[in-house]
Amino acid sequence: DIQMTQSPPVLSASVGDRVTLSCKASQNINKNLDWYQQKHGEAPKLLIYYTNNLQTGIPSRFSGSGSGTDYTLTISSLQPEDVATYYCYQYNSGWTFGGGTKLELK
Amino acid sequence: QVQLQQSGAELAKPGSSVKISCKASGYTFTSYYISWIKQTTGQGLEYIGYINTGSGGTNYNEKFKGKATLTVDKSSSTAFMQLSSLTPDDSAVYYCAREGELGAGFDYWGQGVMVTVSS
Repeated sequence: DIQMTQSPPVLSASVGDRVTLSCKASQNINKNLDWYQQKHGEAPKLLIYYTNNLQTGIPSRFSGSGSGTDYTLTISSLQPEDVATYYCYQYNSGWTFGGGTKLELK
Repeated sequence: QVQLQQSGAELAKPGSSVKISCKASGYTFTSYYISWIKQTTGQGLEYIGYINTGSGGTNYNEKFKGKATLTVDKSSSTAFMQLSSLTPDDSAVYYCAREGELGAGFDYWGQGVMVTVSS
């Protein structure tokens, strides 16, 4: 099974900061990776699909990149409404979510 | 607008089964697969499997084979997941989600159903 490791588990940042969240796969997942945002008490929400494709309606401050085993979600200028837990998800071989990164305001 | 409306919370006894529903609206039901995802505090998000809403074909995460059974009723645009032989480890929030076109992520999600297994 492919394991997905997200880092850091918790990230504190200030409004306006550039924030980078990492997701590492235990083997090559060929860019078959999505990013989801989950706010407290809500269902997850699709942000990025197939590594770097912005879902319709998602602000352009969100972007994704990566290849092979290493992937990144970047928020170019953190906003208060971005406080949430972020999950990566691979579907290259089986299906696996990462453990999440909880993003807090400093 | 696209909506996935899930059934209400369930309280079940160990060894029993529950069947939760996911009613779709706002789009052509049979044009998109429906996936099911489990969320617990301890294990995080786990993928259960998907159903081809047109053909009824299914594909399960190995971990959930024998635990979850996915079905659809095309006449009511509803997907179902039955969980059997329940144990406390099955206590979780269960989401249904629509798979976007050409594998473009889970673009719409239900609100989630909390299943509690307790004697």
